[in-house]
Amino acid sequence: AQSVTQLDSQVPVFEEAPVELRCNYSSSVSVYLFWYVQYPNQGLQLLLKYLSGSTLVKGINGFEAEFNKSQTSFHLRKPSVHISDTAEYFCAVSVPRSGYNKLIFGAGTRLAVHP
Amino acid sequence: EAGVAQSPRYKIIEKRQSVAFWCNPISGHATLYWYQQILGQGPKLLIQFQNNGVVDDSQLPKDRFSAERLKGVDSTLKIQPAKLEDSAVYLCASSSGQGGQETQYFGPGTRLLVL
Repeated sequence: AQSVTQLDSQVPVFEEAPVELRCNYSSSVSVYLFWYVQYPNQGLQLLLKYLSGSTLVKGINGFEAEFNKSQTSFHLRKPSVHISDTAEYFCAVSVPRSGYNKLIFGAGTRLAVHP
Repeated sequence: EAGVAQSPRYKIIEKRQSVAFWCNPISGHATLYWYQQILGQGPKLLIQFQNNGVVDDSQLPKDRFSAERLKGVDSTLKIQPAKLEDSAVYLCASSSGQGGQETQYFGPGTRLLVL
């Protein structure tokens, strides 16, 4: 079975500061990795995903994440945040199996950007 | 391109009542998902459809929850009778394929409060 742990439930940060949201996963098989963002009263939107290849993945809105297989981590980073980045961020995994597309989510990290 | 549509956006009911949620996926998307998101937690998959067939409903409480996707397009999720612990946001998502690498596109969700 797979599981996802997001190490911080809340991350406060000042505008224009860098941020890192941490995600660790557990799985006995290879997985795909995702970061989704949820703005208030909206559905989830894909930020980026890692399927294979380069371990550094770039996504939308200036976010990037690095896959570290030995540490089973997939941390999300942004060098300079904006007020508009205030949202809930979810890390998720899925298993590469044909016909099966279940996403397993972490509990989320609430990013609060302050002026 | 229109996104995933859900209705209603909000619903308040008494325990033991029944409720139904509707979802219209992105046009052409064969795979449809229903997730339950309890406050403070990540979304949890309830059921996955491929066209009008069920792929995974292992976490659907079948004694009270039911879902259908007639004609392989829109879908309805029903709860009967509702319990207090069913208070959550119900998210519908769709994807064009069913491999684990597929991006899932989420609707805005239906926020259910059971009193």
